[in-house]
Amino acid sequence: KAGVTQTPRYLIKTRGQQVTLSCSPISGHRSVSWYQQTPGQGLQFLFEYFSETQRNKGNFPGRFSGRQFSNSRSEMNVSTLELGDSALYLCASSLTGTADTGELFFGEGSRLTVL
Amino acid sequence: GESVGLHLPTLSVQEGDNSIINCAYSNSASDYFIWYKQESGKGPQFIIDIRSNMDKRQGQRVTVLLNKTVKHLSLQIAATQPGDSAVYFCAETDTGGFKTIFGAGTRLFVKA
Repeated sequence: KAGVTQTPRYLIKTRGQQVTLSCSPISGHRSVSWYQQTPGQGLQFLFEYFSETQRNKGNFPGRFSGRQFSNSRSEMNVSTLELGDSALYLCASSLTGTADTGELFFGEGSRLTVL
Repeated sequence: GESVGLHLPTLSVQEGDNSIINCAYSNSASDYFIWYKQESGKGPQFIIDIRSNMDKRQGQRVTVLLNKTVKHLSLQIAATQPGDSAVYFCAETDTGGFKTIFGAGTRLFVKA
């Protein structure tokens, strides 16, 4: 079956702009998590969604937001971009997002560069 | 490919040798642990998992050891191959937390 699909793969923005990233999970997976990956901070948890509800979030400012649609597809948005937001944004899906259901399946990420 | 981390601890091993990658986890309530492998330009991929009621689990060429007393995980790779070169992350999840936290990662280089 198809894996996790993230779009766009690469994008360049300037400071102050906003960006929306999209994630389509594996068919049947209802949990979607987002991570920010940078060389200095590694993989940092942003938030997790299940059935259109955010169940947990990491320590990121309110400029970072997300949502999940009824078909489990998810988007994340970053407003008022800063240089430090340059990173690889990874989406991962799982069946239910709990410790009972196994591993996260990751997409290839969206590489955001902020100039 | 894309760099996944420029400042990671690095382990360099000779092809055919065994590799051991260590990880300290942070949350005593974590009850499920996974090792992921990330190759350049790709997202992390599942290698092996272990639940907190176990202290050892074996897969194909890989073994994970869990020491809950000191909150330590290790990944052992037998007969390391050039294709094993990647960044390896440990990850922890607590029941009902709906959040998986990743360690800093270790870069493994395999010398032919």
